[in-house]
Amino acid sequence: QKEVEQNSGPLSVPEGAIASLNCTYSDRVSQSFFWYRQYSGKSPELIMSIYSNGDKEDGRFTAQLNKASQYVSLLIRDSQPSDSATYLCAVNMSGGFKTIFGAGTRLFVKA
Amino acid sequence: DTAVSQTPKYLVTQMGNDKSIKCEQNLGHDTMYWYKQDSKKFLKIMFSYNNKELIINETVPNRFSPKSPDKAHLNLHINSLELGDSAVYFCASSASVASEAFFGQGTRLTVV
Repeated sequence: QKEVEQNSGPLSVPEGAIASLNCTYSDRVSQSFFWYRQYSGKSPELIMSIYSNGDKEDGRFTAQLNKASQYVSLLIRDSQPSDSATYLCAVNMSGGFKTIFGAGTRLFVKA
Repeated sequence: DTAVSQTPKYLVTQMGNDKSIKCEQNLGHDTMYWYKQDSKKFLKIMFSYNNKELIINETVPNRFSPKSPDKAHLNLHINSLELGDSAVYFCASSASVASEAFFGQGTRLTVV
């Protein structure tokens, strides 16, 4: 089992729709979870951090964490073409000493 | 003012050469990292330093030697470059080992 798993996509949604990105992880004791966005040819950019079970909202983005199911997701409301990018799920593991990234999900938002 | 900066942005070199990539952060963070992103875009951790001390070495060949002269700098030296070393190398920093990381702009290394 991979340490952090994401559906590679591509995920295609129409403009204005909700995009739902999912991630599962293997380390039961992980405490810190992150979502990054990476445009082609650019560096990863932090969107959200989440540490507690439940939902965390920031503008059009909502991160959801369920530690019992070892599952974290990112919802993007009112998706825009500018949201088209690769979204990386990252989980802090090994007692907090390293952050492991998933392979990323490519999102396309069609105008 | 760039928070995490790395140089050079592009590096093209021949097999067998030795090269270095430099990284500096002005965020006052304690932890710095090197990640490698291959052609399939998978981002893999290589090294993690906390307060200038190596805490993670992800079974990277010993041709790769990181060096942290102080908390704000983490350089990467690569000996005897191989074709498979071609990738984008990202430096990153975080306030602590468990907090979110901020990335530099990346160094695209091409070995020919």
